[in-house]
Amino acid sequence: EPEVTQTPSHQVTQMGQEVILRCVPISNHLYFYWYRQILGQKVEFLVSFYNNEISEKSEIFDDQFSVERPDGSNFTLKIRSTKLEDSAMYFCASRRLAGGETQYFGPGTRLLVL
Amino acid sequence: AQSVTQLDSHVSVSEGTPVLLRCNYSSSYSPSLFWYVQHPNKGLQLLLKYTSAATLVKGINGFEAEFKKSETSFHLTKPSAHMSDAAEYFCVVSETSGNTPLVFGKGTRLSVIA
Repeated sequence: EPEVTQTPSHQVTQMGQEVILRCVPISNHLYFYWYRQILGQKVEFLVSFYNNEISEKSEIFDDQFSVERPDGSNFTLKIRSTKLEDSAMYFCASRRLAGGETQYFGPGTRLLVL
Repeated sequence: AQSVTQLDSHVSVSEGTPVLLRCNYSSSYSPSLFWYVQHPNKGLQLLLKYTSAATLVKGINGFEAEFKKSETSFHLTKPSAHMSDAAEYFCVVSETSGNTPLVFGKGTRLSVIA
């Protein structure tokens, strides 16, 4: 069964450094998402992406964040200058269609900013 | 605006006894509702979803949930808990149409005692 994959599984970085989190969505899916989960808190929406552009973003997704689909398979989240509060689990999700279609989640990347 | 309230942050049951995880939602539109499960250090796995078809939804691993519009509830149940059910469970709401992000509840941690 196809699944969403994410790399790396864990990343440790210094405050102020740039990080790129990578995701490979399910191949015939058209809608892509990033969510994050700070330890002990609920999962929060960051951004959605469709047709090579951002569809919607939350207030968390400020100028330090960017997303890109550099080729036909990868979907990346870049944090330009990491802050301590960016430490979280980052989940990528994809779905084939909009509406009530299920979003399929990757296993997540645990980011620790020191 | 949409929101989800999971009424219990932690539920503990004995193996072989019924499970009830409670969820209430608020939505301005016709909602799609989901339950996702997160096992320790794993990603989010879909248990079941409701998208305006049958109000009683059956999912994987013997779980089911009933959509009750009059009570704005979508409680998750299972007749008999298994040790492997111990995990974090998230109730999630989205709109049935459009490309809206998922809105997560804070989660309920289910413990199963032998």
